[in-house]
Amino acid sequence: GAGVSQSPSNKVTEKGKDVELRCDPISGHTALYWYRQSLGQGLEFLIYFQGNSAPDKSGLPSDRFSAERTGGSVSTLTIQRTQQEDSAVYLCASSLAGQGGYNEQFFGPGTRLTVL
Amino acid sequence: AQSVAQPEDQVNVAEGNPLTVKCTYSVSGNPYLFWYVQYPNRGLQFLLKYITGDNLVKGSYGFEAEFNKSQTSFHLKKPSALVSDSALYFCAVRVFKAAGNKLTFGGGTRVLVKP
Repeated sequence: GAGVSQSPSNKVTEKGKDVELRCDPISGHTALYWYRQSLGQGLEFLIYFQGNSAPDKSGLPSDRFSAERTGGSVSTLTIQRTQQEDSAVYLCASSLAGQGGYNEQFFGPGTRLTVL
Repeated sequence: AQSVAQPEDQVNVAEGNPLTVKCTYSVSGNPYLFWYVQYPNRGLQFLLKYITGDNLVKGSYGFEAEFNKSQTSFHLKKPSALVSDSALYFCAVRVFKAAGNKLTFGGGTRVLVKP
């Protein structure tokens, strides 16, 4: 079956511009996560959606970052007024529901964002 | 707070030799532990997880990991490494909380298997 897909695969933008990154999770997965992977560093949690619950935004680095999830499926991560330090690979993941937290996450291929 | 440490930035091993990638964790409560692998220009792929039960967990591609509660470790192992195992490996931990299920990742260990 189809995995997690993300678009675009690459995005080059100028400092100060807004960007939108899209994630299509695996069908039936109610949990969706966004992570950021900077060059030479590990994965940094950004935001988590679970069903209709309020998202966990505790990882968003500033108020320039926001995300929404429409219809419990597709998610969009928006970065406003991009800065060079926003350059990274943005990874989306989805998993089956469960408060137990034991379901593994399935990752998309990522969007490589470069801010000039 | 939960944290994961992967003490080695890189591990070099000859093809056919045993491979070990180290991971230690710190949590309050019972941990759920995961290993993921990332090939160049690809997303992360799930390898295996420990939830409960047998401390030795077997996963994809011949990998296994042993949960050691007293040493708070979850080292990844493969008896005989292949060149194709060369990749970036991430250990991750989660503790059951009603309020959230985010994973905390280690910094990653790059594995280089030489022919």
